[in-house]
Amino acid sequence: AQSVAQPEDQVNVAEGNPLTVKCTYSVSGNPYLFWYVQYPNRGLQFLLKYITGDNLVKGSYGFEAEFNKSQTSFHLKKPSALVSDSALYFCAVREAYSGAGSYQLTFGKGTKLSVIP
Amino acid sequence: DSGVTQTPKHLITATGQRVTLRCSPRSGDLSVYWYQQSLDQGLQFLIQYYNGEERAKGNILERFSAQQFPDLHSELNLSSLELGDSALYFCASSVEGLARGNEQFFGPGTRLTVL
Repeated sequence: AQSVAQPEDQVNVAEGNPLTVKCTYSVSGNPYLFWYVQYPNRGLQFLLKYITGDNLVKGSYGFEAEFNKSQTSFHLKKPSALVSDSALYFCAVREAYSGAGSYQLTFGKGTKLSVIP
Repeated sequence: DSGVTQTPKHLITATGQRVTLRCSPRSGDLSVYWYQQSLDQGLQFLIQYYNGEERAKGNILERFSAQQFPDLHSELNLSSLELGDSALYFCASSVEGLARGNEQFFGPGTRLTVL
């Protein structure tokens, strides 16, 4: 079984400061990891993913995430937060290969990011 | 805009009723996923279809069913509705590849309110 933990329900950060949204995962084999963002009354938007290769992944809107296999973590980061980054952030995981051909994602509970002007 | 469309945007109905939610995937995507998002349960995977066939089932109630049609659009049918079924229902689609980490693209969702 696969699972994702986002230990913080809410993260508050001042505009211009760096931000980190934490994610840890559990999966049987190699993981594929994803970050999505959800703005109020909108669907989820894909931000970035880790499949293989460089542990530091760069994505949309200046976000990046670092894959750490030993700590089973995939924290989302941004060097300088904007007020417009305020939203709900979801981390998701799936196994790299599923013999049954299912590629369902398991999502964390979400972390609400508030960037304070 | 993700390219995934869902209709209707809002649905208000009464307990005991049946509703159908519709999803059109991105052009070229063969796989469709349905999710339920509620405040207490978070984002829960319901069911996946690939090119017309059911591929995986998650936390889907027996009162719920889905199908994917030859034109690849999908419908989620919810019957004998209960108050607790009130939620946002999302459809997502992806290109399938055996060892490729294709991301899922989400539609805007259908907000279901059961009164």
